[in-house]
Amino acid sequence: KQEVTQIPAALSVPEGENLVLNCSFTDSAIYNLQWFRQDPGKGLTSLLLIQSSQREQTSGRLNASLDKSSGRSTLYIAASQPGDSATYLCAVSFQGAQKLVFGQGTRLTINP
Amino acid sequence: DGGITQSPKYLFRKEGQNVTLSCEQNLNHDAMYWYRQDPGQGLRLIYYSQIVNDFQKGDIAEGYSVSREKKESFPLTVTSAQKNPTAFYLCASSQDQYGYTFGSGTRLTVV
Repeated sequence: KQEVTQIPAALSVPEGENLVLNCSFTDSAIYNLQWFRQDPGKGLTSLLLIQSSQREQTSGRLNASLDKSSGRSTLYIAASQPGDSATYLCAVSFQGAQKLVFGQGTRLTINP
Repeated sequence: DGGITQSPKYLFRKEGQNVTLSCEQNLNHDAMYWYRQDPGQGLRLIYYSQIVNDFQKGDIAEGYSVSREKKESFPLTVTSAQKNPTAFYLCASSQDQYGYTFGSGTRLTVV
């Protein structure tokens, strides 16, 4: 079964720290992996998209890596700010599947 | 700006009533999707459509119906057969390997 897992479910850190969110998936045959941000009561905002042929993508203070062989991705957030507080979702587009499979998300709180 | 528009933002349904959620995109994407989000359960796929006039059931299609008469539009009807419809509904679109774009969601509540 194609599954995506995110650990931890919740994370609280002081402002200014660098942090890493983890995502693991059960099948290495993927098209791409996408990281989203969701604020309470809002839709999903795409942060980074990594194609299966890529190792990482960067956007501002965010860096996402992909290791297909180990079935893992990480989202690195540098110099965290209170505005980064949100739920972060990892989603995988598996080959042969016509849908995006989501992890349960990591709820991130940045304390001023 | 290109994007996905979902309406209404909030919707209230009485017992036994059908309601329709709207989803419109101007991204020229071929594929469109409906997801349901419940606390503690993540996002689950209800229906998806890869091309106009064709759609497929997702993991939790019972009690829902869709249509895809235009490329831009993918409305979702929550029928009276859906026994627990209170949830946050998200519409998305995608094109090939360019990732998914999501709308801002509709919160449906049974009253």
